[in-house]
This record gives sequence, C-alpha cells and structure tokens, in this order.
Amino acid sequence: DAGVTQSPTHLIKTRGQHVTLRCSPISGHKSVSWYQQVLGQGPQFIFQYYEKEERGRGNFPDRFSARQFPNYSSELNVNALLLGDSALYLCASSLGIQETQPQHFGDGTRLSIL
Amino acid sequence: KQEVTQIPAALSVPEGENLVLNCSFTDSAIYNLQWFRQDPGKGLTSLLLIQSSQREQTSGRLNASLDKSSGRSTLYIAASQPGDSATYLCAVPNTGGFKTIFGAGTRLFVKA
Repeated sequence: DAGVTQSPTHLIKTRGQHVTLRCSPISGHKSVSWYQQVLGQGPQFIFQYYEKEERGRGNFPDRFSARQFPNYSSELNVNALLLGDSALYLCASSLGIQETQPQHFGDGTRLSIL
Repeated sequence: KQEVTQIPAALSVPEGENLVLNCSFTDSAIYNLQWFRQDPGKGLTSLLLIQSSQREQTSGRLNASLDKSSGRSTLYIAASQPGDSATYLCAVPNTGGFKTIFGAGTRLFVKA
C-alpha cells in the first residue's frame, strides 16, 4: 500500500506569492494534519482535518488555510508568502483522531522563499 | 500548555554502543507517546507508539518506555549501527487530541 504522498517535493517562490501544497493520505485514513518544520526544530502543528471538517488549528496567521476533499486528500494554502515561511511542510494521516492512532508522515514539501 | 523536551540535543557514539535518548513532557494527562526517526531532508518515520496504559514497547533493537507520573519517556537503542544515524523525535497529542506536540529532537551520529 502507498504511504502518505505529498506534492510537490520542492518549491521555490518569491515574497508575496501564494502556494498550494497537496497531500494524499494512506488509503482508509480519514484524518490529515499539516505541520511546519524549520531547520533544527521539531514540527509545529498547523491544521488537522477529520472527515472533511477542521478539527484543530495551530498558532499560525490567517494567511494559512487548508481543506480536505471527499476522497480525504488535502491542500494547504499559504498566501502573501514571507521569508519566514521557508520550511519543510509535512502532512500526516491517521485512521482517526490522535488520541489512540499512530500518525504516518509523508516526505514533505521543501518550500524556499526568495 | 504541553511542552516536550528532548535531551541531549545531539549525541555521537561509536558503533556497537547501547544508548538512551530522553524525552520529558509537562502535562502527564497524555493519551499516547510516539517516537519518530527523521533522516536529513526527509519526512518522519514512526518507530514506536506507546499507549498511556502501557509501560513499554519493543521493536527489534529499539525499546521505548513510558512513565506518565514523572512525565518521561526513554528510547533505548541496542548495539547501535551507522545506519541508526538520524534525528529522533518524540511527540504527544495535546489534551483533546487534535494536534501533536513534538520535541526538538536528538541528533544521533553513530561512528563506524
């Protein structure tokens, strides 16, 4: 079975542009979460979606938004990009909410802002 | 507010050594704790998940323990190999379970 897949793998943008990152969860997984990881730090939670509804939001500005589609895939959108948005963006999926279920991560999208 | 701390931040050991990585968390009301491995520039690979009712989990040369009352977990790696070189992260769901809080990780280098 395929794991969590993310696209694109690498992306270079300039300040002020917007970007869309995509994630396909493991088949049968209904929960998708997004994380931002800057160099040398652990991942920081951005959003969780479960059954196509937002279930949690981290401490990120409104420039960050996401959605989950009927097939449980997800998109993360970031508007008005800043230099500080340069990071590895990780997507994770799980069968259900995170109290009891392990999370499975994709390889991430490396976003560089010039 | 849940905070997760990992010590040491970096570790360099010769091949064959047994080693222990430490993880502490401030709120003991956790549902589970998960250990991950991350290779440079890559995503996270789940190593072990310990439910709150469990004391330890084992997978091959890896053993993870959990002591909720003291807010601590350890990851024990037996007979380390150069291929074990990576960053190891521990993580816990917050109360309500909709997000996972990570430590900053321990960077491990195993010398051949």
